[in-house]
Amino acid sequence: ETGVTQTPRHLVMGMTNKKSLKCEQHLGHNAMYWYKQSAKKPLELMFVYNFKEQTENNSVPSRFSPECPNSSHLFLHLHTLQPEDSALYLCASSQAGELFFGEGSRLTVL
Amino acid sequence: AQSVAQPEDQVNVAEGNPLTVKCTYSVSGNPYLFWYVQYPNRGLQFLLKYITGDNLVKGSYGFEAEFNKSQTSFHLKKPSALVSDSALYFCAVRAPNQAGTALIFGKGTTLSVSS
Repeated sequence: ETGVTQTPRHLVMGMTNKKSLKCEQHLGHNAMYWYKQSAKKPLELMFVYNFKEQTENNSVPSRFSPECPNSSHLFLHLHTLQPEDSALYLCASSQAGELFFGEGSRLTVL
Repeated sequence: AQSVAQPEDQVNVAEGNPLTVKCTYSVSGNPYLFWYVQYPNRGLQFLLKYITGDNLVKGSYGFEAEFNKSQTSFHLKKPSALVSDSALYFCAVRAPNQAGTALIFGKGTTLSVSS
């Protein structure tokens, strides 16, 4: 148990669906992150939020839309995704040092 | 720009033998360095970090890493490998004084420990 909870753990969606991934951290951290992990590829940073404000957007397509209503919650809204978006989406939080990761949401786009 | 290199896609060792997983980095200034482990269908688990101080850092599960500034390396080591150590290992770096910025990860090294 890392203190970072991601839901759902698994998600299958069609290309025309709209869905959301949720992340909640119970560690009192100020920064939250979305990473994408695809097979055979390095971890890709997607978004960074500090104190609810987005501080990094790593050229992510607009079909991925993040939302950070407070320092404890982070969402990733998904719409009109492509099959190549199938991956493990990892949420993490930090205060000043290491990142603490959730277990990930395994997304399959049909 | 910051970067991390893990030159080996896979490392194979026999149980009971020492293991080393290599990592080199590039960053301006003194780096913050990290090692993570990932088991199948799980998130990344923090193993250890180097911020400052002793070059030899001890972490979870008997792992340690040695910071070598002249070689810009931060290799992960364990004196005696266990079959349960088999997993995917990631090295990561962040520039100093950048709290709240993301870590840059290497591509990962798969460690396979045979019995």
